[in-house]
Amino acid sequence: GQQVMQIPQYQHVQEGEDFTTYCNSSTTLSNIQWYKQRPGGHPVFLIQLVKSGEVKKQKRLTFQFGEAKKNSSLHITATQTTDVGTYFCAHTGGSNYKLTFGKGTLLTVNP
Amino acid sequence: NAGVTQTPKFRVLKTGQSMTLLCAQDMNHEYMYWYRQDPGMGLRLIHYSVGEGTTAKGEVPDGYNVSRLKKQNFLLGLESAAPSQTSVYFCASMFTGGSPLHFGNGTRLTVT
Repeated sequence: GQQVMQIPQYQHVQEGEDFTTYCNSSTTLSNIQWYKQRPGGHPVFLIQLVKSGEVKKQKRLTFQFGEAKKNSSLHITATQTTDVGTYFCAHTGGSNYKLTFGKGTLLTVNP
Repeated sequence: NAGVTQTPKFRVLKTGQSMTLLCAQDMNHEYMYWYRQDPGMGLRLIHYSVGEGTTAKGEVPDGYNVSRLKKQNFLLGLESAAPSQTSVYFCASMFTGGSPLHFGNGTRLTVT
């Protein structure tokens, strides 16, 4: 399936700093889903974006889908230690039931 | 609702041994999946099922078999385990196409 590149692979921030992870594709994506996996845990769904230019917010988290639907970003404002984990983007490609995941961005937060 | 339940949580196998990982979901989801997660590799799809009695290969199917005899259960089998199959295995289910994936807690498998 279509591959998506996530950058950066790792990000270490001081508590209170902002954080952004990017998900990029060379082809148009039909949708993007974002998941969070706490250390030792399982991935948990955060949000889905389907429309060009879409922006959604969840408290301190802002999700964007690019105008060309080839990239997406997750921005966290004023990180907290509870934000620690790996953030994955995923998309369904040609079928709407088979998700392909990016390799994830591991966020660590120094209190 | 228990959601997605995986058993066992941990397992150690010797090379060449076989085992079956069990996944059960009580959400009446149509689609079920097995992923493996390795450091730096993200989540890779092994096999999936779009309904009872159906299975299909994912990205990394070699060395694994699956069965979906009942809608709520999806079994992953390793016939002859190899060290390369040391990984964390996640089962997941989806209600309908395009909806969120619900993951189990994972099975940590070590093959020595």
